[in-house]
Amino acid sequence: KAGVTQTPRYLIKTRGQQVTLSCSPISGHRSVSWYQQTPGQGLQFLFEYFSETQRNKGNFPGRFSGRQFSNSRSEMNVSTLELGDSALYLCASSLGTAGEKLFFGSGTQLSVL
Amino acid sequence: GQQLNQSPQSMFIQEGEDVSMNCTSSSIFNTWLWYKQDPGEGPVLLIALYKAGELTSNGRLTAQFGITRKDSFLNISASIPSDVGIYFCAGNSGGSNYKLTFGKGTLLTVNP
Repeated sequence: KAGVTQTPRYLIKTRGQQVTLSCSPISGHRSVSWYQQTPGQGLQFLFEYFSETQRNKGNFPGRFSGRQFSNSRSEMNVSTLELGDSALYLCASSLGTAGEKLFFGSGTQLSVL
Repeated sequence: GQQLNQSPQSMFIQEGEDVSMNCTSSSIFNTWLWYKQDPGEGPVLLIALYKAGELTSNGRLTAQFGITRKDSFLNISASIPSDVGIYFCAGNSGGSNYKLTFGKGTLLTVNP
């Protein structure tokens, strides 16, 4: 069974640009969560989607948005990039029950210059 | 919001030694998970705990769900060089809460 796939692995953008990250969950998993990881803040929850609906949202500005498609694949978008958005963005999938084990992808390393 | 205090922040040990790390929370969790992350990769699930008092092993790793439901422990026995990495605890309070709260991680270095 293939794991969680995130693309691209690396991205370099400049301030003010926007970016879209993609995530394909493990087959059969209907929940996709996104986390931002930085050395200073650790892993911070962005949002979680289940059956194309956002069920939970973290404390991030509206510049961060996401969506989930009918095949459970998910994308997240960051608009008007800031230097502080430089981070490893991790996608995780699960069957969808609260407290369920999350399985992570390798992440997308975003650098904002 | 919920916070997890993970300690120690870092450990430097000799190969063959046993390691212990723990996480504490100010609130009750229904699920505790332990992950390991290698540089440039996503966290990999090591052990999942679902009941207070539960003790679960995965090879040389053993984790426990604290009786108070506010803490969890991870032990690694007879460490080897490939144990190097960052270990994270994560908790979930259940109900309609679908997110995990993560500790800041324990950086483990093993000297061969």
